[in-house]
Amino acid sequence: DGGITQSPKYLFRKEGQNVTLSCEQNLNHDAMYWYRQDPGQGLRLIYYSQIVNDFQKGDIAEGYSVSREKKESFPLTVTSAQKNPTAFYLCATKLAGGSYEQYFGPGTRLTVT
Amino acid sequence: AQSVTQLDSQVPVFEEAPVELRCNYSSSVSVYLFWYVQYPNQGLQLLLKYLSGSTLVKGINGFEAEFNKSQTSFHLRKPSVHISDTAEYFCAVSDPFQGGSEKLVFGKGTKLTVNP
Repeated sequence: DGGITQSPKYLFRKEGQNVTLSCEQNLNHDAMYWYRQDPGQGLRLIYYSQIVNDFQKGDIAEGYSVSREKKESFPLTVTSAQKNPTAFYLCATKLAGGSYEQYFGPGTRLTVT
Repeated sequence: AQSVTQLDSQVPVFEEAPVELRCNYSSSVSVYLFWYVQYPNQGLQLLLKYLSGSTLVKGINGFEAEFNKSQTSFHLRKPSVHISDTAEYFCAVSDPFQGGSEKLVFGKGTKLTVNP
């Protein structure tokens, strides 16, 4: 069953703790993306990666870190430096080449108190 | 940098009425255009995309969109909506200045509510 898996669906953490969100795909897509979604703000790009062992900052990378050690996996760490981490986080993937759309995972809702 | 404006944050309509969700983008440089739908607490699903060719694009669930290069618009339409169309809709445009076609810029979304 092909697709994008994000786990867990809901995540709760205390302020000051780092937390890692998982994104796994078996679509054999080259590029992977992390977005943050807040009510009324649309989707904002955090990081993206077009190939293994390489990634680029998006528009709101401060307080976040990523790795791309395998084509299938692109975990996102929300560090304690992120001032307002509570949000809905979406992972997306895409085949290389301009005409292909991004495919989205089901999302992880992170709540930090 | 490319920007996307969805002119209405909320659109209430009655069932079986037509609807238009508006989207304008800033750059007239060659772009790819997308509309996505999001149901509550879920990821985004592609409705349709414009890459080139015919300016009228048909998508899933009876939706269509028209690309207008001179007005830099890509409005989404459906002639008759159902209760099940209640969702949030996002317009997205490739960014020719940063990341080429590998990055998308999203609008802030339009919440469509279909009332009985």
